[in-house]
Amino acid sequence: EAGVVQSPRYKIIEKKQPVAFWCNPISGHNTLYWYRQNLGQGPELLIRYENEEAVDDSQLPKDRFSAERLKGVDSTLKIQPAELGDSAVYLCASSSRLGLANEKLFFGSGTQLSVL
Amino acid sequence: LAKTTQPISMDSYEGQEVNITCSHNNIATNDYITWYQQFPSQGPRFIIQGYKTKVTNEVASLFIPADRKSSTLSLPRVSLSDTAVYYCLVGVLTGGGNKLTFGTGTQLKVEL
Repeated sequence: EAGVVQSPRYKIIEKKQPVAFWCNPISGHNTLYWYRQNLGQGPELLIRYENEEAVDDSQLPKDRFSAERLKGVDSTLKIQPAELGDSAVYLCASSSRLGLANEKLFFGSGTQLSVL
Repeated sequence: LAKTTQPISMDSYEGQEVNITCSHNNIATNDYITWYQQFPSQGPRFIIQGYKTKVTNEVASLFIPADRKSSTLSLPRVSLSDTAVYYCLVGVLTGGGNKLTFGTGTQLKVEL
């Protein structure tokens, strides 16, 4: 069974440029997460989708970040414009449970973003 | 957001048992406690999950006291390949509702 697929694996951009990350979750998984992981820290939730609905985007910086999950399958996370502080690993995860307390998340390998 | 805290690092030798604790004072009533392992340049990988008392699987045990304000991941007889960062993940009560929150992470280093 294929795992969570993310692309690109690495991205280097100059500040103020736009950037987009793509995620394809495990087939059949209804719930999709985007996390940001700064160096030496644990992942922090940006947004959670249940099917195509964003059910928790309270920690998404909406002035520059946007996300979509059309048709409730794959998802795109965008930053426009990027700032130096956005340099981090962006992780996508999926699970088959809809907001239940004992979710088991499956993570992709992440996109390493460097903003110069 | 309430912090879910772990020791920053731990050192061990091959064949020893390692116990990593996570403190989560504001854990939500109905939420489980999950532990993940993360290697460099990879996403976190599920290890074990529990709600209370003790859970054991083929790779680890998880001990959860009655008040559920902490948990301990136990790795029996570690090997070099267990060198990684370990995170707990719990639902934490906040002003904005219940939030799944990763712990601060523990870097485990296993030596010969």
